[in-house]
Amino acid sequence: GAVVSQHPSWVICKSGTSVKIECRSLDFQATTMFWYRQFPKQSLMLMATSNEGSKATYEQGVEKDKFLINHASLTLSTLTVTSAHPEDSSFYICSARVRPTAYEQYFGPGTRLTVT
Amino acid sequence: AQKITQTQPGMFVQEKEAVTLDCTYDTSDQSYGLFWYKQPSSGEMIFLIYQGSYDEQNATEGRYSLNFQKARKSANLVISASQLGDSAMYFCAMREGRSNQGGKLIFGQGTELSVKP
Repeated sequence: GAVVSQHPSWVICKSGTSVKIECRSLDFQATTMFWYRQFPKQSLMLMATSNEGSKATYEQGVEKDKFLINHASLTLSTLTVTSAHPEDSSFYICSARVRPTAYEQYFGPGTRLTVT
Repeated sequence: AQKITQTQPGMFVQEKEAVTLDCTYDTSDQSYGLFWYKQPSSGEMIFLIYQGSYDEQNATEGRYSLNFQKARKSANLVISASQLGDSAMYFCAMREGRSNQGGKLIFGQGTELSVKP
């Protein structure tokens, strides 16, 4: 099956610093990737849709300037949490579709961010 | 606006028995897709099964089947012959529109399933 990787798997950063999370499709090209956020014992909330070669589409309530998304190639999307604060601590998960018309999404293993 | 509801925060099932996880949805779109994902404690999301709104037969994948009742807007997951490894969080999700239109998923609150030996 299709494989999506994320790096790092966990990260601890100090308040006020920025952290970048990578999402890669390893064996397929993904024109669209999705970024989700999940708090402990809660559901996944879609943050944004990342489109290769164009600007990301953010969901309502998600700060574009705080969560910078770059989809520079067909296999890589990055999420940068800028000026991180403790409330940004969460589990960040990306997903991608094997092809634009495929119905299923394959998820990365997630990145656990802790801001101290 | 579309909405997914899972009313069972937690469920227990005896090993080797079947269990049904409930999911109801709300959408005004005629074309949509329904998904079930499993999330073990490690955090990765594992795709289990898919049902398209125009699919006339209930989807099945091994021990997983989806009980799709369109008029009632429900898409319950049935796991047969439960195994200890089935213990995890289960999420129901919906995609509005056809596959080639966007594709973002909206997730329910999740149901934590515990399989007892």
